[in-house]
Amino acid sequence: ELKVEQNPLFLSMQEGKNYTIYCNYSTTSDRLYWYRQDPGKSLESLFVLLSNGAVKQEGRLMASLDTKARLSTLHITAAVHDLSATYFCAGDKIIFGKGTRLHILP
Amino acid sequence: DTEVTQTPKHLVMGMTNKKSLKCEQHMGHRAMYWYKQKAKKPPELMFVYSYEKLSINESVPSRFSPECPNSSLLNLHLHALQPEDSALYLCASSPTSGQGSYGYTFGSGTRLTVV
Repeated sequence: ELKVEQNPLFLSMQEGKNYTIYCNYSTTSDRLYWYRQDPGKSLESLFVLLSNGAVKQEGRLMASLDTKARLSTLHITAAVHDLSATYFCAGDKIIFGKGTRLHILP
Repeated sequence: DTEVTQTPKHLVMGMTNKKSLKCEQHMGHRAMYWYKQKAKKPPELMFVYSYEKLSINESVPSRFSPECPNSSLLNLHLHALQPEDSALYLCASSPTSGQGSYGYTFGSGTRLTVV
């Protein structure tokens, strides 16, 4: 059974700093998905990573996938307050990680 | 239309009530999902419908009864719920079963409170 683990589960950081969220998964998954959720809101699809070595960027967020290491990363560059949210990664089998609650301090 | 629409947005019901949650999409997606999400937890899969047939039931109690009347509609019928069933109920859809090349499209959710 696919298991998806994220770390850290909670991250408080200053505006302007860089940081990375990690997503490890336990069995073969060719694809990896990242979602964002604002408090009390639904999930918004951020990135779909379809193959080994895939890298996608949108604004200050960049996601990558290494299927051999069973690892995906979500890198935040020069964080701004608007990026405060919970970020979930999900494997190909509809399984979500526990989420990383990101709080960016002004 | 690129949305999944859920109604109602909020619902308060007693433990003896019967109510239904509704989910609708007009993207031609053939897979639809119900998720339950408690506060500060990830979404938990409840049901998957693929081509209007129930393909996955994640051992959900019978007080939750899904229905897929057609390819655009998904209902969740609720009966004799418990206070611990209070949660955000999310509907999602995808072109085919699994997240595929696009991930899921989620609705805005129904926040359910059982009193």
